[in-house]
Amino acid sequence: NAGVMQNPRHLVRRRGQEARLRCSPMKGHSHVYWYRQLPEEGLKFMVYLQKENIIDESGMPKERFSAEFPKEGPSILRIQQVVRGDSAAYFCASSRTGNSNQPQHFGDGTRLSIL
Amino acid sequence: TQLLEQSPQFLSIQEGENLTVYCNSSSVFSSLQWYRQEPGEGPVLLVTVVTGGEVKKLKRLTFQFGDARKDSSLHITAAQTGDTGLYLCAGSYIQTGGGNKLTFGTGTQLKVEL
Repeated sequence: NAGVMQNPRHLVRRRGQEARLRCSPMKGHSHVYWYRQLPEEGLKFMVYLQKENIIDESGMPKERFSAEFPKEGPSILRIQQVVRGDSAAYFCASSRTGNSNQPQHFGDGTRLSIL
Repeated sequence: TQLLEQSPQFLSIQEGENLTVYCNSSSVFSSLQWYRQEPGEGPVLLVTVVTGGEVKKLKRLTFQFGDARKDSSLHITAAQTGDTGLYLCAGSYIQTGGGNKLTFGTGTQLKVEL
């Protein structure tokens, strides 16, 4: 039973480029969450999606960041015109339902480095 | 904004010792999860506690959820070098519109030495 799969594991971009991070949830899970872990900081919630819907994007920066979870395929976190401050580890988690007592299972993250 | 404070922030002990990590908040959580994270990897779920006063055991690890569901503790008995890692608590609370957004604690970095 495959876990949450994220790719790429490492991504290097120059300032101004676009970064696309992908997440395939665990089998049977239709709820996806994205978190960001900045250097020396804890994990912070960014966005919660179900298939084809953004449910809660209260943790997303207002500009340059977007997320989607299409009917077919992985969830995508997209960062346009990246800046140095976007360097971080981005983690995706999935759960079977959106109930607050449902455990979330995490992928191994994408480490984004901005040159 | 819900905040979770973990203590201690760092802990270095000898193999065979016992330890307790605390997770405290001023907010009530509907559930609380404990994770362990190794360098370069994602958090791995250890346990989910839901009911106030609940105690769960996972081999040498004992997890407790406070009666008021505002705090939790993780106790490790006879620590081993393999227990070394970053321990994170994460709380979830009921939100209008649904969802299970986790608020993570500040983390406890545990090092167990021979």
